[in-house]
Amino acid sequence: AQKVTQAQTEISVVEKEDVTLDCVYETRDTTYYLFWYKQPPSGELVFLIRRNSFDEQNEISGRYSWNFQKSTSSFNFTITASQVVDSAVYFCALSEGDDYKLSFGAGTTVTVRA
Amino acid sequence: GAVVSQHPSWVICKSGTSVKIECRSLDFQATTMFWYRQFPKQSLMLMATSNEGSKATYEQGVEKDKFLINHASLTLSTLTVTSAHPEDSSFYICSAREHGGNEQFFGPGTRLTVL
Repeated sequence: AQKVTQAQTEISVVEKEDVTLDCVYETRDTTYYLFWYKQPPSGELVFLIRRNSFDEQNEISGRYSWNFQKSTSSFNFTITASQVVDSAVYFCALSEGDDYKLSFGAGTTVTVRA
Repeated sequence: GAVVSQHPSWVICKSGTSVKIECRSLDFQATTMFWYRQFPKQSLMLMATSNEGSKATYEQGVEKDKFLINHASLTLSTLTVTSAHPEDSSFYICSAREHGGNEQFFGPGTRLTVL
């Protein structure tokens, strides 16, 4: 069963628009971590955020913000005022328990047009 | 800090040959390293987990005799793709976890093309 679901395959926006990426996860563990990574065309994964299961506080970092809701098992990511450099594939990932293995979602390709 | 390197960054080989990919933690000691594979336009799939000094643990469906993993030191893990075939062509990414830490640091990836 898929542990992390990113229902949006591709999103295309015009520069300065906001874009929200959805992530729904599934786990039976009470202790887990959620992550977002960015993968630009170069292929290297860029770490964006890690959130543990006991911290539901939303977070904002510059133009990025994250909304963690345990009630709906979601960890959504919003890019405000998107820029062309935001064009990339974004992955949501889950780490359960203490083995630190990551289960990745299918990824969402974001294209920001000038 | 927390830099992970991979070598080579890309490799092209003939079918039937073996290819070795290195993953190094440059400024920390990695007790655990993970190997992922990513096919074009797909997600990352965990292949195996390697702990320093012990045998690697492979995910279901990954052939351990084909993908040999060695984690002989706290800063180096190697993945050897034996008797490579075109279907093994993929992007291989490693990550490393520091002892006592709960974050993985990813390498830049190695693009393997088997002709």
